[in-house]
Amino acid sequence: QKEVEQDPGPLSVPEGAIVSLNCTYSNSAFQYFMWYRQYSRKGPELLMYTYSSGNKEDGRFTAQVDKSSKYISLFIRDSQPSDSATYLCAMSRYSGGGADGLTFGKGTHLIIQP
Amino acid sequence: GAVVSQHPSRVICKSGTSVKIECRSLDFQATTMFWYRQFPKQSLMLMATSNEGSKATYEQGVEKDKFLINHASLTLSTLTVTSAHPEDSSFYICSASWDRGPSPLHFGNGTRLTVT
Repeated sequence: QKEVEQDPGPLSVPEGAIVSLNCTYSNSAFQYFMWYRQYSRKGPELLMYTYSSGNKEDGRFTAQVDKSSKYISLFIRDSQPSDSATYLCAMSRYSGGGADGLTFGKGTHLIIQP
Repeated sequence: GAVVSQHPSRVICKSGTSVKIECRSLDFQATTMFWYRQFPKQSLMLMATSNEGSKATYEQGVEKDKFLINHASLTLSTLTVTSAHPEDSSFYICSASWDRGPSPLHFGNGTRLTVT
């Protein structure tokens, strides 16, 4: 079993829809959870950063962490064609990655249809 | 916000040659830098972790003599792919963090290496 599981998609939704992206993980030691957006042939861009369980909202993006279920989610409201990208979840035992770096999901390819 | 610059963005080299990739933190001092490799439609895989002034720590399966990492200052880390082979062709990405409490990692824009 991989440490982080993420459905690679592609996930195609119409413009304006609410998008739900998810990851599950097996290592209960993970405490820091991140969502990155990656456009083709570019480095990942940090979208959300959360510590432990709970919700965090930033504009159209909401990140949820449920440590008891080892499940994290990213919601995108009022999705736009410019949101089309690959979304990577990442997690770590330590802030800033510490000595471990980050463990990434495979990424979900999201397509927002105009 | 924090910016990490990576250079070059794309490089093509012949088999057997060496290639150096630079990673710079532009507006902060990076106590730790990480190097990742990403194959098409795959996730980022951590290759090594480097701290300024000390030897890099390599992940299992990554050849330290092939992928030389130098973290000479708090703003610069380099990855040298020695005696490159076509199977080394990949997307190499660096990231950096600073030691001031919870700090999310920021990534460079990556280097696309093609070995012919």
